[in-house]
Parts: sequence; C-alpha cells; structure tokens
Amino acid sequence: AQRVTQPEKLLSVFKGAPVELKCNYSYSGSPELFWYVQYSRQRLQLLLRHISRESIKGFTADLNKGETSFHLKKPFAQEEDSAMYYCALSGRSNTGKLIFGQGTTLQVKP
Amino acid sequence: EAGVAQSPRYKIIEKRQSVAFWCNPISGHATLYWYQQILGQGPKLLIQFQNNGVVDDSQLPKDRFSAERLKGVDSTLKIQPAKLEDSAVYLCASSPSTGTSYEQYFGPGTRLTVT
Repeated sequence: AQRVTQPEKLLSVFKGAPVELKCNYSYSGSPELFWYVQYSRQRLQLLLRHISRESIKGFTADLNKGETSFHLKKPFAQEEDSAMYYCALSGRSNTGKLIFGQGTTLQVKP
Repeated sequence: EAGVAQSPRYKIIEKRQSVAFWCNPISGHATLYWYQQILGQGPKLLIQFQNNGVVDDSQLPKDRFSAERLKGVDSTLKIQPAKLEDSAVYLCASSPSTGTSYEQYFGPGTRLTVT
C-alpha cells in the first residue's frame, strides 16, 4: 500500500534551534518525494522535491531508501518558518498523482 | 500570472442537499486535480483531468460525487446528496501537464460544512 506517515502533529522549537520534520513512506518501487508548505492564510505550495536536490529557504531533505524516510531539516529555525508542512509522494508514473501525509505544524517561538 | 481560482470559498449546507464547486486553473495548464482535505488530514486526490479527459478517478465516490471539465479549462465538482462526512476543504490544483516533473499549483480551497 502507498502511504506517507508524518508522526508528529506539532513540532515546537525556539528560534535558532535546529528543526527536523519526520516523514516515512511506504511504496513498492521508486517514488518521488516532495515537501509542501502552507503558511497562515496562504495556499499550499511546493517547498522542495528530492529529485532536484536543492535547498529552499534553508531547508533540505534527503531521501533514505533504506529507511524509507524523507525528513525535512533546517539548521536554524526562523519565526517565518512557522507553518503546516506536508510530505507527499508520487509514483514513477505519468499521472503526477500525489499522496500526502497528515501534516506537521511547525511552531517557531521567539 | 493569476493563480488557481476557486469559488465559493465557504459553503454551509444540510445533509442530503447538493452542492457544486468551481475551479478555474492557471491559463494554459492542461492538468487539473481535485483534492479533498478532511480536518487533521492531508489532501486526498479525488479526480485528475488531462484536458477534458479523466486520468484518475479511483478515489471519487461516484455514487454521490461527480466532476467535469467539459472544455478542458474550468472544472466543476458536485456532491449530490451530501453527507456529514463530506465536510472538508476541497482543493483544486493545476499543472502544465501530467507527470511528476510538473509542479502542482493549488487554489485557496472551498470549505464545505455539512450540518
């Protein structure tokens, strides 16, 4: 079964502290993994995808196929990082269909 | 560039009533998605269109939900009759084409409350 699990509903850290949002997936094959973010009163938007291997707003995520994980990390959290974060996967097909996790709220305290 | 537009933004109906949501994708985007997001969960794909054809509707409850994209541009999602468990945010997204290499752009969503 295809599934994305984000074990934490809420992650609360202080400004300047490191952040790690966990994501585990279940998929028979080689999926593509994404992180989407929704800031307060804004639309859901793509943050990064594993295939591009880029750092966006200081965030990085490494696909670990052995542990079937795609954790999102940032060394120093900023208050503007406070948002809802969703991990999602897409199978290597032509449809682009996304399967989302339940989401984690990141709260960065001053 | 204008983003994905959705209307209405909020809707409250009683169970067994019908409701329709409208989506206008980004100009030129061939692929359109409808997602259902129940409170506390991530979005779940209901149906995907490529132009005016259906690519995936495997998770659409077809006994009560229907969707169309007649001219390959705007799309309408209908629920008839609504149930309490249909209370959710309905998100529309579009992308230039079908496939994982194309970013999906999301609309603001329609929040449906069924009482």
